[in-house]
Amino acid sequence: QSVLTQPPSASGTPGQRVTISCSGSSSNIGSNYAYWYQQLPGTAPKLLIYRNNQRPSGVPDRFSGSKSGTSASLAISGLRSEDEADYYCAAWDDSLSGVVFGGGTKLTVL
Amino acid sequence: EVQLLESGGGLVQPGGSLRLSCAASGFTFSSCAMSWVRQAPGKGLEWVSGISDGGSRTYYADSVKGRFTISRDNSKNTLYLQMNSLRAEDTAVYYCAKVGPSPPIVVVTASYDYWGQGTLVTVSS
Repeated sequence: QSVLTQPPSASGTPGQRVTISCSGSSSNIGSNYAYWYQQLPGTAPKLLIYRNNQRPSGVPDRFSGSKSGTSASLAISGLRSEDEADYYCAAWDDSLSGVVFGGGTKLTVL
Repeated sequence: EVQLLESGGGLVQPGGSLRLSCAASGFTFSSCAMSWVRQAPGKGLEWVSGISDGGSRTYYADSVKGRFTISRDNSKNTLYLQMNSLRAEDTAVYYCAKVGPSPPIVVVTASYDYWGQGTLVTVSS
């Protein structure tokens, strides 16, 4: 059972907009930044969103992040087949003094 | 180009020990906090441990506290993870990760801008 809660799966058709949620608590997302990672099959995770809504250089603006209270969301617009991957949210947890990850959401592009 | 190259993984019996290394290049290693993150086969990501840029501050997941030790040698640009009393549930791919993009010295963060390719640790008799 992960500290951060994500839906196990999501799907959409090419061109659609998909949103993935991440629910936490006051000790993690509620008091710290949220981060999002993309993991393509057989590869290491890649930072997609940092500090709630910032994109590292090279990440397309189709990807956006937001945070409200103890929850965060990742939105992917103009869905493409190459977006098919596992997506993880993460945050520092003040109570645990460590990083917590969501269980991951497997995105399928139909 | 930033590169993180893990090594030291392999097959070990329950109760055994293993030391992982992560050789860093392409950035000022001594100015960056680092972490280890693992992923059991077919499972999600699990943070294991983090260390400050100078090595004075370390943090551990409850699941490894007292068994694993993170350390670094800034003169060799290398991060380590000493793993003792290994259990079957420690079986995973272990990634080293660099804190970033900003600020890289903050260890109390979940922001990792570069990851290694991972090294597989299998704990089995």
